[in-house]
Amino acid sequence: DIVMTQSPDSLAMSLGERATINCKSSQSILYSSNNKNYLAWYQQKAGQPPKLLIYWASTRESGVPDRFSGSGSGTDFTLTISSLQAEDVAVYYCHQYYSTPHTFGRGTKLEIK
Amino acid sequence: QVQLQESGPGLVKPSETLSLTCTVSGGSITSDYWSWIRQPPGQGLEWIGYIYDGGSTKYKPSLRSRLTISLDTSKNQFFLNLRSVTAADTAVYYCASWKSGWYGDYWGQGALVTVSS
Repeated sequence: DIVMTQSPDSLAMSLGERATINCKSSQSILYSSNNKNYLAWYQQKAGQPPKLLIYWASTRESGVPDRFSGSGSGTDFTLTISSLQAEDVAVYYCHQYYSTPHTFGRGTKLEIK
Repeated sequence: QVQLQESGPGLVKPSETLSLTCTVSGGSITSDYWSWIRQPPGQGLEWIGYIYDGGSTKYKPSLRSRLTISLDTSKNQFFLNLRSVTAADTAVYYCASWKSGWYGDYWGQGALVTVSS
């Protein structure tokens, strides 16, 4: 199984600050034939199901604010929130879909300082 | 827009079978991929498996011996059956639309299933 390692486990930032969450896969999740990274990011607020934010490592899902962006390739990926808003308090998960079984990172809890 | 809703017993006894139904509206389960994912209380997400192409399945290997995912196209529903459950199977179970077998674009609200005598 591909292991997804997220860091940090938790993060406390002030409103308006830039938040960065990292995700590392135990093997490359870049498919060479189409040059796509098989990685998604989700946001999960308390008591709610996960919500898709980013897929193909950097494609923002429709309706997701443009302060959310994804980057990286191969084994190292980043989710960036450019200017933290109160409604961004949540747990964020990365997910690899390069191979089954699909696997998730353990999550990063984002709080307001 | 696709909507999904999980239903089933909230309490299952150890060694018995956990059975859940996912009812889909706004999309047909005869196309695309449909997943089950679970989340133990206070923990992260675990992909369980999916069904696609009207009945083909892919399961998490560690659960394969106890797991069946099936569907009923006439009711636009798909199902999770997990046999011989233990307390470790206690979790919120989500069903989701899994875009082309890649990522979860639509999720149900989740159903908490507790395994306890």
